[in-house]
Amino acid sequence: DGGITQSPKYLFRKEGQNVTLSCEQNLNHDAMYWYRQDPGQGLRLIYYSQIVNDFQKGDIAEGYSVSREKKESFPLTVTSAQKNPTAFYLCASAESGAGGNEQFFGPGTRLTVL
Amino acid sequence: AQSVSQHNHHVILSEAASLELGCNYSYGGTVNLFWYVQYPGQHLQLLLKYFSGDPLVKGIKGFEAEFIKSKFSFNLRKPSVQWSDTAEYFCAVNARQLTFGSGTQLTVLP
Repeated sequence: DGGITQSPKYLFRKEGQNVTLSCEQNLNHDAMYWYRQDPGQGLRLIYYSQIVNDFQKGDIAEGYSVSREKKESFPLTVTSAQKNPTAFYLCASAESGAGGNEQFFGPGTRLTVL
Repeated sequence: AQSVSQHNHHVILSEAASLELGCNYSYGGTVNLFWYVQYPGQHLQLLLKYFSGDPLVKGIKGFEAEFIKSKFSFNLRKPSVQWSDTAEYFCAVNARQLTFGSGTQLTVLP
């Protein structure tokens, strides 16, 4: 069953702690993306990677970090520097980073900072 | 920078009513246009897309959208909505990166 998995589904964190969100895909896609979804604001791009060992900042990268050591994995770390981390995080992948390619989305992780 | 505007934040319709959701973008070059849908409790999924050619594109579940280049618009339409169309709809534009609108929550009353 091909697709994108994100774990955990719900995550709670205390202020000042870093936390890592997992994203795995078995679609053999080159490009992977992280978005943040807030009510009334749509999806905003945090980071993206068009190929292994390479990634680029999106519109709201401050306070986040990523790695792309394997083609199928693109974990996102929410650091203590992120001022307002409570949100719904979506991971996506596409065959390539070319503009016309459809992005496929995972089920999301809801992060709550206590 | 490219941007996408969805002017309707929440639309409430009765079953069988016609639907049109507005989407306008700001970017002067060539764009690829998408509508995504997020049903309650489900993944965000592609509804339809426009790359080139016929500006009227048809998607899944009877949805269609028309690209009007002169108006920088890509409005989503459906002639007769069903209760199962209740969802959040996102317009997205891809020039250098995929940029989403703020979304429109559609509620269809049975």
